Amino acid sequence: RKEVEQDPGPFNVPEGATVAFNCTYSNSASQSFFWYRQDCRKEPKLLMSVYSSGNEDGRFTAQLNRASQYISLLIRDSKLSDSATYLCVVNHPGQNFVFGPGTRLSVLP
Amino acid sequence: DAGVIQSPRHEVTEMGQEVTLRCKPISGHDYLFWYRQTMMRGLELLIYFNNNVPIDDSGMPEDRFSAKMPNASFSTLKIQPSEPRDSAVYFCASSPLPGLAGGSRGYNEQFFGPGTRLTVL
Repeated sequence: RKEVEQDPGPFNVPEGATVAFNCTYSNSASQSFFWYRQDCRKEPKLLMSVYSSGNEDGRFTAQLNRASQYISLLIRDSKLSDSATYLCVVNHPGQNFVFGPGTRLSVLP
Repeated sequence: DAGVIQSPRHEVTEMGQEVTLRCKPISGHDYLFWYRQTMMRGLELLIYFNNNVPIDDSGMPEDRFSAKMPNASFSTLKIQPSEPRDSAVYFCASSPLPGLAGGSRGYNEQFFGPGTRLTVL
């Protein structure tokens, strides 16, 4: 089993739709969690960290479920500019970051 | 702040040639990471450094790959000899600190360079 797994995608949604991505991780000792966004032929960039209590940043909401070892990202009122690949990232204290394979989102006009 | 700088941005070479990729991390960041990204395997960590010292090189594919960090502002990833299967985008990233227990806001982000697109013919 891979350390970090994500919905394979691609997700094709119309503008204004709500879309949710899930990510599961295998190491129960993981402490830090993130969502990164990667545009086509660009480098990954941090979208948001994921905190135990869940957190929201505008149209984006991240949730963490430690018991089930999964992380979710919800995008409301999706925009064309949200089209990208979304990478789930998990980190163990003192160790490296593990990136999931990514889920590709296409928001259609 | 110029961000993480990588060079070259594109490299096309022939099988058997030596390839050297360069990275300048963000000033003050103690951690530097080298990643490789392909369609088949996604983003893979090759090696990372803490204060110029290699900490984990378990992701380096084989002896043909080597990485150095002679000082806090420069790192290289070398492939010798290169093979067609090495074709990928190579990213360098830097971070002020690794993940901390509980996660500290603002400390765990990795900042990626624009990448080097390597093609080995």
